[in-house]
Amino acid sequence: DAKTTQPNSMESNEEEPVHLPCNHSTISGTDYIHWYRQLPSQGPEYVIHGLTSNVNNRMASLAIAEDRKSSTLILHRATLRDAAVYYCILTGGNQFYFGTGTSLTVIP
Amino acid sequence: GAVVSQHPSWVICKSGTSVKIECRSLDFQATTMFWYRQFPKQSLMLMATSNEGSKATYEQGVEKDKFLINHASLTLSTLTVTSAHPEDSSFYICSATAGADNSPLHFGNGTRLTVT
Repeated sequence: DAKTTQPNSMESNEEEPVHLPCNHSTISGTDYIHWYRQLPSQGPEYVIHGLTSNVNNRMASLAIAEDRKSSTLILHRATLRDAAVYYCILTGGNQFYFGTGTSLTVIP
Repeated sequence: GAVVSQHPSWVICKSGTSVKIECRSLDFQATTMFWYRQFPKQSLMLMATSNEGSKATYEQGVEKDKFLINHASLTLSTLTVTSAHPEDSSFYICSATAGADNSPLHFGNGTRLTVT
């Protein structure tokens, strides 16, 4: 079962940073935090994942709270192509359950 | 990057017939594959988890005799929807991982099934 909580929707202006929050207060010590995004009528796309330390890749940054009970996906400059549903999930014991995700709207 | 190919991308079938959906990992060995179903405006619902060479583990409420999953090799898993009915119409998505908890999921592009 999904163990994460995300806002249903968020808006951002184009070319501005976006911070997408995720709460996972029941996270266990071995759970990784994964982020995926899904465009309409497509399969989800991997964005980033981490365990304890903050992570950066070409798509985004992941900031993980010190107590690991929350995390934030950071898109440094939103583009129209970033409009999607973003899912934060915990993976432990090879289980991948999706919550409701955050629908991101990017305003030109 | 890792690629998962899912086929067909869409299919229309008559009620009572069976439909097979294929999911292939093209450039990595997928020790575990997952099958999801997604209804419009909803999130992905995990249907089953399959490991190569063993029986799939189905989520509660998913009929294993209706949704047959075969994971015969490290690069191929199939989902067969047997005796399909209109309520089975949905978007089916497969995903694959190399297995470790820190391995990301790689998704196919999904199959839109419409049962008439």
